[in-house]
Amino acid sequence: KAGVTQTPRYLIKTRGQQVTLSCSPISGHRSVSWYQQTPGQGLQFLFEYFSETQRNKGNFPGRFSGRQFSNSRSEMNVSTLELGDSALYLCASTISGGGETQYFGPGTRLLVL
Amino acid sequence: ILNVEQSPQSLHVQEGDSTNFTCSFPSSNFYALHWYRWETAKSPEALFVMTLNGDEKKKGRISATLNTKEGYSYLYIKGSQPEDSATYLCAFTGTGNQFYFGTGTSLTVIP
Repeated sequence: KAGVTQTPRYLIKTRGQQVTLSCSPISGHRSVSWYQQTPGQGLQFLFEYFSETQRNKGNFPGRFSGRQFSNSRSEMNVSTLELGDSALYLCASTISGGGETQYFGPGTRLLVL
Repeated sequence: ILNVEQSPQSLHVQEGDSTNFTCSFPSSNFYALHWYRWETAKSPEALFVMTLNGDEKKKGRISATLNTKEGYSYLYIKGSQPEDSATYLCAFTGTGNQFYFGTGTSLTVIP
């Protein structure tokens, strides 16, 4: 069974631009969560999608948004990029998201200049 | 804000040494405690999920214990090997099912 995939793996943007990251979960998994990791910080929860609906949201500004498609693939968008958005963005999938083990993708490393 | 704390932040041990790390989490509204291993340039890999007070899990040389009443979990590595070098993350899930991760313990095993 293929694992969680994320595209692109690396991205360089400039301040003010917007970016869209993609995550394809493990086949059969319907819940996708997104996390941000910056140096010295743990994984910070962004949001979780289940069956195309946002079910949980972390404490991030509205510039961070996401969506999920009917095939469970998910995208997250960051608008008006700031230097502080430079981070590793990870997505994780589970079958139903009920606190069960999450399976992570390799991440997208975003650099904002 | 829910705090999950891990200690130590980093650890260097000699090959063959045994070691352990701590994860502290809120003792209320507990649902599960997860341990992950995260090697450089790879995805975090699930090690254990524990749900019951007193749970002990083992996978080869790695084991973990859980105390939900006092809010801590220990991860033990027996006879550390260089391939054990990684960051070990714990994550708490409460009744809301959201994952709260600690900042991790970075382990370096020196050959």
